This record gives sequence, C-alpha cells and structure tokens, in this order.
Amino acid sequence: DAKTTQPNSMESNEEEPVHLPCNHSTISGTDYIHWYRQLPSQGPEYVIHGLTSNVNNRMASLAIAEDRKSSTLILHRATLRDAAVYYCINMEYGNKLVFGAGTILRVKS
Amino acid sequence: DAGVTQSPTHLIKTRGQQVTLRCSPKSGHDTVSWYQQALGQGPQFIFQYYEEEERQRGNFPDRFSGHQFPNYSSELNVNALLLGDSALYLCASSSYDRASGYTFGSGTRLTVV
Repeated sequence: DAKTTQPNSMESNEEEPVHLPCNHSTISGTDYIHWYRQLPSQGPEYVIHGLTSNVNNRMASLAIAEDRKSSTLILHRATLRDAAVYYCINMEYGNKLVFGAGTILRVKS
Repeated sequence: DAGVTQSPTHLIKTRGQQVTLRCSPKSGHDTVSWYQQALGQGPQFIFQYYEEEERQRGNFPDRFSGHQFPNYSSELNVNALLLGDSALYLCASSSYDRASGYTFGSGTRLTVV
C-alpha cells in the first residue's frame, strides 16, 4: 500500500472552507484515494473516495492532482462537528485500509 | 438502517486471560475487518474475513484469531493477554468489492491490567 503524507494538524475558523492536503507520490495506477475521519470516541467514518476525477458528495469534495501524486479534501463550510482526525489512504481496489497518523483538524468558533 | 454493532463497549481483563469481542456488520455487507487502535495512533489492521475465511492478515501474532459466521457476524479472540493489548478494537464491514467504502463500529475499549 502506498504511503501518504499529511500535516500533523490544521486549524480552521467555523463557517470557512478547509483544504486538507495529502501527498502520495508513490501511488500506483490502480490505487484509490480514500478519506476517512474519526471524531472523538468514535470509529472512523467514510468521507469520500476517488480514482482520477474530482468527486463531490454531501460531506465534502475531493480534488485530485492530474498526476495523482497529491489530493485535497475540501470541507466547504467547517462546523464545530467537523473537528476530527482526517485520514488520507491509498487503497488498492478490493484491498484493506492502511491508516497513517492523519491530520488533526481543529475548528474555532 | 443499523450500522456496525460491536459488543461489549468496554472490557477489563487481567494479563494472561483470553477475550472475545463481537461484531455484527452493516446490513448488506459480507466482509468484516478488525483493527486495533492504541491511544493517539491510527488504527492498525489485524485481519479480514470473507466467506467465513481469513483473507488478509496484518502483522499481529497468532494470539489474535477470528471467526466469521454464516450470517456474516464475526468474533475477534485474543489469548494470553498482555498489557500492550490494551486498545480500542474496531470492527469494519464492507461489501467485498469495497465499492461503497467501509463502515466502522464505535469499537470495544479493552483494558488489560
């Protein structure tokens, strides 16, 4: 499984957009880019995933670089409930999730 | 629609004892994975079950074993508990093609004293 690199922590103001970066320079052509988040005292929660094209869902948007060596998770309007650890994971289709340390997102009111 | 259910939520065991944790997957999912999460770290993959067989395994000793039942529910067994086994144990379910991602339970907090 390809290794991903994320900032240890980020801070955002409530109601503002948040861009969470992830580098995955060794990603293979068949690896999907997954994002999960983990709120305090809960299990990880699926956020979004994509392969090559940008993706949108009700929770977030995923912007994937043209060379696929990096991606950005975009939360359009951060709320206090978005404070969590965000994990960027490269996963081969049908394979297991391998978690790194993730990014701790703090949201200020 | 019930998500992933894990039991018990908390557990305290003594070193050397054995423990069994249980997981019921989300409706429609047939694959169950188990993870161990130490405090302040990301979850570590233990193993994955599909069609009642262990399909993938992480870097965990044989003291960690599992089982999947015909109704897709699963158990994680840990023998000869060590203090270092204290952690949050997470169960995740998915369809085999992972097309819709994984759904995680809230975990079982195991404390070994």
